[in-house]
Amino acid sequence: GENVEQHPSTLSVQEGDSAVIKCTYSDSASNYFPWYKQELGKRPQLIIDIRSNVGEKKDQRIAVTLNKTAKHFSLHITETQPEDSAVYFCPLYNFNKFYFGSGTKLNVKP
Amino acid sequence: DAMVIQNPRYQVTQFGKPVTLSCSQTLNHNVMYWYQQKSSQAPKLLFHYYDKDFNNEADTPDNFQSRRPNTSFCFLDIRSPGLGDAAMYLCATSRESGRLPESYEQYFGPGTRLTVT
Repeated sequence: GENVEQHPSTLSVQEGDSAVIKCTYSDSASNYFPWYKQELGKRPQLIIDIRSNVGEKKDQRIAVTLNKTAKHFSLHITETQPEDSAVYFCPLYNFNKFYFGSGTKLNVKP
Repeated sequence: DAMVIQNPRYQVTQFGKPVTLSCSQTLNHNVMYWYQQKSSQAPKLLFHYYDKDFNNEADTPDNFQSRRPNTSFCFLDIRSPGLGDAAMYLCATSRESGRLPESYEQYFGPGTRLTVT
């Protein structure tokens, strides 16, 4: 399978704090970098994505940054809220296929 | 406005008894995927269809088969379910146009939870 690593595997923050999740990939040909959120008992949903020709993208409280040289991209969530508690995945996209890493479980404490 | 529909939502089958899970979509997407997700694990890609072309993952057991009779429907057949096949099965779709899109977003169905007794 393809290789993508996420850090940390679990993250606990206080409501209102920021959270950062990092994803490292190995394939230098990768050109699409999505982040999916999966709440407990629900389906994964795309929350933000970025293409390789863009270094950063922001959507309200969430942002994704890409460092192609270092082969990693990060999810930034500001002003975290309890409803941000979920598992976050950064699947590797390769020729129409998505390979999910182990995910990061984010817990936002009220 | 259900876009990716999976039936049934819950399926109980006996060890070794064939079972079929179904997925339908109203998005007219040309790519459909089947994932297996076990408790506290990431979704694992089993196979996908690009139009009518079937693409199997190398580590997908032969016990798992799939059919896509038309654009809207896709089926997952488990020929002889074992206890280790108990999981959530997720269907997803995406649109691939051959041209560089802004996004390759996948739309997931609600999943079918399979129990093997």
